[in-house]
Amino acid sequence: QSVLTQPPSASGTPGQSVTISCSGSSSNIGNDYVYWYQQVPGAAPKLLIYRNYQRPSGVPDRFSGSKSGTSASLAISGLRSEDEADYYCATWDDSLSALFGGGTKLTVL
Amino acid sequence: QVQLQESGPGLLKPSETLSLTCTVSGGSMNTYYWSWIRQPPGKGLEWIGYIYYTGTTNYNPSLKSRVTISVDTSKKQFSLKLTSVTAADTAVYYCVRTRGGRSDFDYWGQGTLVTVST
Repeated sequence: QSVLTQPPSASGTPGQSVTISCSGSSSNIGNDYVYWYQQVPGAAPKLLIYRNYQRPSGVPDRFSGSKSGTSASLAISGLRSEDEADYYCATWDDSLSALFGGGTKLTVL
Repeated sequence: QVQLQESGPGLLKPSETLSLTCTVSGGSMNTYYWSWIRQPPGKGLEWIGYIYYTGTTNYNPSLKSRVTISVDTSKKQFSLKLTSVTAADTAVYYCVRTRGGRSDFDYWGQGTLVTVST
């Protein structure tokens, strides 16, 4: 059971938009930045969003992040088949530990 | 382009010590933190701990009693030792460059599967 709560699954059809949520508390999300990682099957995770909403070079602007209070969201617009992957949120906790959400498996129907 | 490569035994017996090394290429180790993160088969990610290039460490409280991370900047390597392993330690282990000593993991190794089995 992860401290950061994500829905286990999400889905959408090509071209649609989908949002993945990440819920925490005042000792983690409420007190630090949120990061999002994309993991396609068989590969290492990849940094998708850092410091709540910033995109690393090369990440399409179809991906956007936001944070409000103790929750954060990852939005993906214009879904594409290659977006099918597991998505993890992460943040830092007051216990001086990095935390990950349990992950959300995104299926592109 | 920064690249990280894990190396070490892939099969251990219960009670043995897991030892992995990560070799960094394409960039300096200076000013960065260097983490180990693991992922049991079919499960989510777990942060094990990190080391700053100066040698300062911080470990996941749940693993702290069994974990040691060390760094050798002259060889551009950092290492993980996890003692008294059990089947629950079976996982893909990733070495990861970390910005700012938080959860900003920007470069990942490809990962190495370590299996604990009799």
